[in-house]
Amino acid sequence: AQKVTQAQTEISVVEKEDVTLDCVYETRDTTYYLFWYKQPPSGELVFLIRRNSFDEQNEISGRYSWNFQKSTSSFNFTITASQVVDSAVYFCALSESGTSYDKVIFGPGTSLSVIP
Amino acid sequence: AAGVIQSPRHLIKEKRETATLKCYPISRHDTVYWYQQGPGQDPQFLISFYEKMQSDKGSIPDRFSAQQFSDYHSELNMSSLELGDSALYFCASLQLGNTEAFFGQGTRLTVV
Repeated sequence: AQKVTQAQTEISVVEKEDVTLDCVYETRDTTYYLFWYKQPPSGELVFLIRRNSFDEQNEISGRYSWNFQKSTSSFNFTITASQVVDSAVYFCALSESGTSYDKVIFGPGTSLSVIP
Repeated sequence: AAGVIQSPRHLIKEKRETATLKCYPISRHDTVYWYQQGPGQDPQFLISFYEKMQSDKGSIPDRFSAQQFSDYHSELNMSSLELGDSALYFCASLQLGNTEAFFGQGTRLTVV
């Protein structure tokens, strides 16, 4: 069975600090997809990244970076120089489906508060 | 370009009533997904459609049904509403073969 664990329920950081959100997943498949979504207080889900299991390259997008390590089944997300607008709930998610979005399993989410 | 549109944004219903949620996908997106997010919970997959046919089913109660119409919009019908159905309902659309599904802003259903 597939499962996503985000051990950090809530994190508070002071603006401009770096913060890493942890994600550990379980799956028996060799082909799978991992995602990160942001849910700001307004409620919508904002897509951040999708990564397939064959691509272990780390990715950087502005202040965001992702570290995918199959050896530890982790897909961690780092925000550099955090800003107040980064305050949101962040969900890590996993899909074993070939179409990649069917039966996406979301983790419980990490609530990030960035304090000015 | 317009994103995924969900209507209504907010809905209040009484127990045992019926609700219909609508989702209008992005133009040319042929796949629609429905998710339910309870208070303080992570989103749970309900059902998906591809080219107007149901493609997959998650933890959707028998009281719920959904369909995708010829113009690709989708409706989620919920009958005999229970207090536990109070949640944020998301719709997402995708053009099959692409890498990113776009989520709507959700419909917040409150059952009283």
